[in-house]
Amino acid sequence: DAMVIQNPRYQVTQFGKPVTLSCSQTLNHNVMYWYQQKSSQAPKLLFHYYDKDFNNEADTPDNFQSRRPNTSFCFLDIRSPGLGDAAMYLCATGRETQYFGPGTRLLVL
Amino acid sequence: AQSVTQLGSHVSVSEGALVLLRCNYSSSVPPYLFWYVQYPNQGLQLLLKYTSAATLVKGINGFEAEFKKSETSFHLTKPSAHMSDAAEYFCAVSFSGFQKLVFGTGTRLLVSP
Repeated sequence: DAMVIQNPRYQVTQFGKPVTLSCSQTLNHNVMYWYQQKSSQAPKLLFHYYDKDFNNEADTPDNFQSRRPNTSFCFLDIRSPGLGDAAMYLCATGRETQYFGPGTRLLVL
Repeated sequence: AQSVTQLGSHVSVSEGALVLLRCNYSSSVPPYLFWYVQYPNQGLQLLLKYTSAATLVKGINGFEAEFKKSETSFHLTKPSAHMSDAAEYFCAVSFSGFQKLVFGTGTRLLVSP
């Protein structure tokens, strides 16, 4: 059974049009992460939540925001997507070991 | 500061041959080490992890890795490659408990018939 679920798997948006990606987990972990992965690169951490405490990476653009309404769900909001934001977005959960979802591939037209 | 080096962005092997993917780390304290595999348009799947127990770690799909402190290495091996092993492999390190993962740049494994 899937432990980390991401929806949608593919998302197409227009330049500047806000978009929200969702993630849910069934492991009941208190830590959740969002990564951005561009082609042929390693995942890059955008931010993480420890319970409701939000921790932003220093180089994460302000264009990226996140919400975590409860333990199971976490959202990534991109307020004004640019062409450079086209990437795979990965959600993960876990403390000692991180378990990843299948990812959402974002295309910006 | 922690860092991970994966030697070789691409590794090519024939089906049935030994797979060896190299990973070296730098860490000032005992690390937690991980290997993840990523198939096209998929997330990262945990292959195996080292968390200061046995130095030889067995993972899924016949992969294993050996932690060698003296060499600061955690190379991934599989005795006999299968076509389905073709994927991107990432080595990653963290400290004990909650710490961010530091990823290597990845190695793409190509398997030919």
